[in-house]
Amino acid sequence: AQKITQTQPGMFVQEKEAVTLDCTYDTSDPSYGLFWYKQPSSGEMIFLIYQGSYDQQNATEGRYSLNFQKARKSANLVISASQLGDSAMYFCAMREGFYNQGGKLIFGQGTELSVKP
Amino acid sequence: NAGVTQTPKFQVLKTGQSMTLQCAQDMNHEYMSWYRQDPGMGLRLIHYSVGAGITDQGEVPNGYNVSRSTTEDFPLRLLSAAPSQTSVYFCASSYRGGLAGGSSGANVLTFGAGSRLTVL
Repeated sequence: AQKITQTQPGMFVQEKEAVTLDCTYDTSDPSYGLFWYKQPSSGEMIFLIYQGSYDQQNATEGRYSLNFQKARKSANLVISASQLGDSAMYFCAMREGFYNQGGKLIFGQGTELSVKP
Repeated sequence: NAGVTQTPKFQVLKTGQSMTLQCAQDMNHEYMSWYRQDPGMGLRLIHYSVGAGITDQGEVPNGYNVSRSTTEDFPLRLLSAAPSQTSVYFCASSYRGGLAGGSSGANVLTFGAGSRLTVL
């Protein structure tokens, strides 16, 4: 069974508008962390934002926020005021288990975001 | 700081050949790992290490070997390359951390630039 599901293979958004990228996860561990990474066409993996399962508040990092709905097991990424440079592949990932266990991450399939001028 | 350095960036192999993808980090990270990225499948964990001398298998370990003799280096060996191993390979490292679900669990993986391998 998929542990991380990103149901949107591709999305378009108009420049300066907000966009939500969906991510649902599946784990029975009470302790887990959720990450979003950006992969531009150049190929590098860029960390965007992190949400821990014990965190009471939704994480925010500049124009990025994570809409964490624990009961629904969803961790959607919201990008406000989209910019052309936001065009990239976006990956949701999860680290589960009580301890960090070697930094192992489980990745979703990714969502390709295209920002239109 | 160089961060995580992977070499080579590109490699073409013939079926049955062996090779080693090199990975080095200069951040004194305890944890290192190798992932492969295939279209439509995200990144999948091949092998990982929690410290020098300690390695373990990830989700897709078959056909790959690793060793970690120093904190800095974590090479990935392809023993007998197959076309199914055509992929982009990423090495990553991070600090050892606390609870996965807490703020201290945000030990972000730092990725190398990737190595694109084609097996003919």
